[in-house]
Amino acid sequence: EAGVTQFPSHSVIEKGQTVTLRCDPISGHDNLYWYRRVMGKEIKFLLHFVKESKQDESGMPNNRFLAERTGGTYSTLKVQPAELEDSGVYFCASSQDGKGPYGYTFGSGTRLTVV
Amino acid sequence: RKEVEQDPGPFNVPEGATVAFNCTYSNSASQSFFWYRQDCRKEPKLLMSVYSSGNEDGRFTAQLNRASQYISLLIRDSKLSDSATYLCAVNPGYSSASKIIFGSGTRLSIRP
Repeated sequence: EAGVTQFPSHSVIEKGQTVTLRCDPISGHDNLYWYRRVMGKEIKFLLHFVKESKQDESGMPNNRFLAERTGGTYSTLKVQPAELEDSGVYFCASSQDGKGPYGYTFGSGTRLTVV
Repeated sequence: RKEVEQDPGPFNVPEGATVAFNCTYSNSASQSFFWYRQDCRKEPKLLMSVYSSGNEDGRFTAQLNRASQYISLLIRDSKLSDSATYLCAVNPGYSSASKIIFGSGTRLSIRP
């Protein structure tokens, strides 16, 4: 079974530019989550999709972040315009319906550096 | 106050030692509890779920104390390969059924 795939693995962009991160969950997993870890801080929840619907977006830091999951398959997280404090590692995770927090599988993350 | 608090360490112990980590959580309504392991520059991987009755998996034992709102992880006979960051994680059990709140992690280094 293929795991959770994230692309790109690394991205270096200038402040003010736009970056789009992609996550392909495990096939058949309805739940998709985005988390991020900024330098020196804990991993923090950003949002949760169930299929194509946003179940919980309470962790999205501001309106420069836009997450989509059209068709309920892969998801994208766009940061526009990027700021220095957006630098960090962005993790995606997926889980099967009904598994909730017990069934998380994380992707290997996208390391974003804003310069 | 953070929702999930851990001693950041680092813990530096010799191979074969027993090491214990504690974690406290602030929300008494929290539903589910976990220990994750994260290797350097890698993603978190689930080590164990934690149950009120306590649970053991080989050299690893996890305990939950709901009254005191803390979770513990005990590693016996530590191996060099146990060197990693250990993350305590809690499902708060409100609004989002699947959301996880992580502690900042405790770094463990096992020396030969």
